[in-house]
Amino acid sequence: GESVGLHLPTLSVQEGDNSIINCAYSNSASDYFIWYKQESGKGPQFIIDIRSNMDKRQGQRVTVLLNKTVKHLSLQIAATQPGDSAVYFCAERWDYGQNFVFGPGTRLSVLP
Amino acid sequence: SQTIHQWPATLVQPVGSPLSLECTVEGTSNPNLYWYRQAAGRGLQLLFYSVGIGQISSEVPQNLSASRPQDRQFILSSKKLLLSDSGFYLCAWSVQGGNYNEQFFGPGTRLTVL
Repeated sequence: GESVGLHLPTLSVQEGDNSIINCAYSNSASDYFIWYKQESGKGPQFIIDIRSNMDKRQGQRVTVLLNKTVKHLSLQIAATQPGDSAVYFCAERWDYGQNFVFGPGTRLSVLP
Repeated sequence: SQTIHQWPATLVQPVGSPLSLECTVEGTSNPNLYWYRQAAGRGLQLLFYSVGIGQISSEVPQNLSASRPQDRQFILSSKKLLLSDSGFYLCAWSVQGGNYNEQFFGPGTRLTVL
């Protein structure tokens, strides 16, 4: 079946640099996408979302970009900090339903 | 504000023993409720979701079951645990209705089946 995946399972960045986490999806009917951050031993926390009628959305230090042409989603974190170290998941919602499909996650490690 | 609780936080159970994990939500009414399982280093797998009391939808055939005896209570159960049931179990809720509602996750239960 169609699913969400991630290009990079692990990502290491220097503190202060910008991070880009990528996600590919294959269901063109997906209408809503969310990025979650999960720290070790904790539940995922909502970071930012974007609807399919948008290309870009910005939050505090984070930006989500959606490219529907190539079915690609990215999360950009500006000035990455040690507290950003975590696993990041993208999730897509299929067909206006209540349920999301989650990708396998990318581990972000921030180097001092 | 809304909060979601799960317990226990950690659990070690022998193969073949029963299981009961509980999730409760405060500060909202008639939420959608979800149970996910996360294997080590993996993504989230949706197990069950519920849109109301007594209404349970199963996403994955398995030896687990779910119940919703009260509006803000969601229980995950098993009669006989398997080794493959080990994992991190997450409960989540979302607002009922609306078009764009994110899911809010609880702190999770770490289950180890020996």
